[in-house]
Amino acid sequence: DGGITQSPKYLFRKEGQNVTLSCEQNLNHDAMYWYRQDPGQGLRLIYYSQIVNDFQKGDIAEGYSVSREKKESFPLTVTSAQKNPTAFYLCASRQGRSGNTIYFGEGSWLTVV
Amino acid sequence: GIQVEQSPPDLILQEGANSTLRCNFSDSVNNLQWFHQNPWGQLINLFYIPSGTKQNGRLSATTVATERYSLLYISSSQTTDSGVYFCAVERGNKLVFGAGTILRVKS
Repeated sequence: DGGITQSPKYLFRKEGQNVTLSCEQNLNHDAMYWYRQDPGQGLRLIYYSQIVNDFQKGDIAEGYSVSREKKESFPLTVTSAQKNPTAFYLCASRQGRSGNTIYFGEGSWLTVV
Repeated sequence: GIQVEQSPPDLILQEGANSTLRCNFSDSVNNLQWFHQNPWGQLINLFYIPSGTKQNGRLSATTVATERYSLLYISSSQTTDSGVYFCAVERGNKLVFGAGTILRVKS
């Protein structure tokens, strides 16, 4: 099936540890995005990438890092510098830069214990 | 940056009722989308509608770009319509989301 696959679905992390969330798409989309959602709130953009080996900070990039070594993959690392990492993380992709429909993965729940 | 406001924040409907959700945005945009987030967190595209009117079954949407608002109509609501409805607008390469409308449909 074509789509966006995020893993893991649920993740628990101890304070001070880095964790990497996986996002893979087989839609041949150029652009990929990472959003964070906190309870009762909308989505906020963390990082986005328009092409391979290039990415830009979104509105809340501090404490996060990404890479885009392959077109189909856009992993997000939540570092220990992120002060409040417990949240729901959503990966998305779309064809081209703008003006096209964006599609989302099923999300990853990260809890810091 | 651009501001996106959705109303109402919460809505409770009896099954079969109709509803209208509103999205106001503060500046011109080149893209507007409506999404439904189900109770498991999955975001589903409903409409890509930078202007004009579209219909898909019991749902329809209208965007009046010159007046900077969009409306989502839900007719004959069903319990499966429950969830959060988000409006998202695009300016440049960034998609900016509103805070959402939480819809609960009671049987």
